[in-house]
Amino acid sequence: GQQVMQIPQYQHVQEGEDFTTYCNSSTTLSNIQWYKQRPGGHPVFLIQLVKSGEVKKQKRLTFQFGEAKKNSSLHITATQTTDVGTYFCAGPRYSGGGADGLTFGKGTHLIIQP
Amino acid sequence: DARVTQTPRHKVTEMGQEVTMRCQPILGHNTVFWYRQTMMQGLELLAYFRNRAPLDDSGMPKDRFSAEMPDATLATLKIQPSEPRDSAVYFCATSGKTYEQYFGPGTRLTVT
Repeated sequence: GQQVMQIPQYQHVQEGEDFTTYCNSSTTLSNIQWYKQRPGGHPVFLIQLVKSGEVKKQKRLTFQFGEAKKNSSLHITATQTTDVGTYFCAGPRYSGGGADGLTFGKGTHLIIQP
Repeated sequence: DARVTQTPRHKVTEMGQEVTMRCQPILGHNTVFWYRQTMMQGLELLAYFRNRAPLDDSGMPKDRFSAEMPDATLATLKIQPSEPRDSAVYFCATSGKTYEQYFGPGTRLTVT
């Protein structure tokens, strides 16, 4: 079945450094979603990308969807301690866009050293 | 501020006992998902419902897990009998007309 791979699994950065996590799918995705989970918390939806080559920004976060719609990235500029957590990408299980559930990557744990 | 609620937040039980977890979807959301999260396996989809009808429970161990949605405001996930390997955080998530999912706070289950 469809697999969504994320790298790296862990990333240690100094506060103020940039951070990037990468997501790759074994199949072409109709869309990709990103979620953030704080330690001890639950996944929280960040954004959905739909178009090939799409780039979206949320303050210091930049999300990108690859031209082939098989990969995506999340880049955080000048990390802050509030960015700590695990970032997940997720793709639709089937071709229905996500209505039938998502396949989540294993996530990238962002650890920030002050 | 609409939120998905889950009860209990924490559950410690002995092997062989029945465990029932409850979820109240966001009002108006017609799709309810149950996920299990462990360090080893990450987030796994167990089952989901749309308009209260079960659509896919292929992710659940059938012999001990069951999921139901007795009404639009309540979804349940039951484990009987529970085993230590069921220890995990169980999340309920709901979605409406768009595909983003809203997760509840989770039930942290420990089976000893």
